[in-house]
Amino acid sequence: SYVLTQPPSASVAPGQTAKITCEGRAFGLDTVHWYQQKPGQAPVLVIYDDDDRPSGIPERFSGSSSGNTATLTISRVEAGDEADYFCQVWDGDSDHLNVFGTGTRVTVL
Amino acid sequence: QVQVEESGPGLVKPSETLSLTCNVFGYSMASGFYGAWIRQPLGKGLEWIASVFHDGSAYYNSSLKSRLYISVDYSKRRFTLDLRSVTAADTAMFYCARQYCHRTGCYFDHWGRGILVSVSS
Repeated sequence: SYVLTQPPSASVAPGQTAKITCEGRAFGLDTVHWYQQKPGQAPVLVIYDDDDRPSGIPERFSGSSSGNTATLTISRVEAGDEADYFCQVWDGDSDHLNVFGTGTRVTVL
Repeated sequence: QVQVEESGPGLVKPSETLSLTCNVFGYSMASGFYGAWIRQPLGKGLEWIASVFHDGSAYYNSSLKSRLYISVDYSKRRFTLDLRSVTAADTAMFYCARQYCHRTGCYFDHWGRGILVSVSS
């Protein structure tokens, strides 16, 4: 089955840049999506289709994907960005399976 | 604005069937709608469970497929999930979500608040 691997944690100082990676098999035409989950809350979509932002998501959030690695970048990190982040892919080759990454906890120092 | 909301029991006994409902607000499901269930054991990651299209087409996580049934009633603007033969390992926060799909993939753009389900005698 499809496995998406993320680093378990990342620490970043306010105002700096956080980069969170998501590694799987070569994504090819499969797009990668990212979710932010703050403690006690439901996940929120922050990036879809590799690099698009839903309305209401700050421009500080951006995404990219190349080969077998997708990256979520948070620029000018704020205390409110402290959360768990999950990547997700729809595996169109495997019975419409949706796969989530292992998750990365971002701590703002 | 699309909103989805979970309902169901907070406690289920082992070996019984868990039935959850997701009500959809602010969207005409007949226009084309994927609904999905995702669960999260406390302190752990997200696990997709199942998805259903407004025509009833269903897709299941292969590791749970033998115990699952998902259905949709778009006249009542809701979709439901049945998970049979539950065990303590099924204890989790269950979320329903709208799943948006296009040519290169699918993602979950609207989530419910979640419902905590415990399996215990």
